[in-house]
Amino acid sequence: DQQVKQNSPSLSVQEGRISILNCDYTNSMFDYFLWYKKYPAEGPTFLISISSIKDKNEDGRFTVFLNKSAKHLSLHIVPSQPGDSAVYFCALPAGNQFYFGTGTSLTVIP
Amino acid sequence: DAGVIQSPRHEVTEMGQEVTLRCKPISGHNSLFWYRQTMMRGLELLIYFNNNVPIDDSGMPEDRFSAKMPNASFSTLKIQPSEPRDSAVYFCASSLGQGPLNEQFFGPGTRLTVL
Repeated sequence: DQQVKQNSPSLSVQEGRISILNCDYTNSMFDYFLWYKKYPAEGPTFLISISSIKDKNEDGRFTVFLNKSAKHLSLHIVPSQPGDSAVYFCALPAGNQFYFGTGTSLTVIP
Repeated sequence: DAGVIQSPRHEVTEMGQEVTLRCKPISGHNSLFWYRQTMMRGLELLIYFNNNVPIDDSGMPEDRFSAKMPNASFSTLKIQPSEPRDSAVYFCASSLGQGPLNEQFFGPGTRLTVL
């Protein structure tokens, strides 16, 4: 049973437009949420995070939104750039466990 | 400044053989994590060490898997005997502090193929 779901395995966006990546979770015990980015043949790298006491966190072109009642978070990238093409994972720590979503492969078309 | 180092990068072996994956965390980091990535299940945490001590190994799939951290700069993940369903990419990550809440730095992974 997947605690964390990313229902879109892939997404294509034109350069300059907004990319929206979604993540749903099932357990309200999660109180900290992270996004990781992964290029081929590399390990994931940390991108941005948000605590459950906030509903938005912004870092440059990247913004993460949290809707606790819906158990949903999203990552917005605007404007999208070709270098953003990668696989994006949401990640939720809980105690000594760390739950990753299955990832969304983003392709930004020049 | 070296990141997390994993070896080998690729491993192809036959069913029944022993496989050992190696990891060198970032110097000064005191937490180390082993993950497995498959198409079906994505990234799964297998085991987590803090100060060389295994804290949570609930993600280790079965007794064929074992992990050790004999010192702060080295860890191994061993599969004995290996099976084709163990084929996956195995990542090692390290962080400063205790618990998965802290930012983790991942190695490049070891792609394991068991024939």
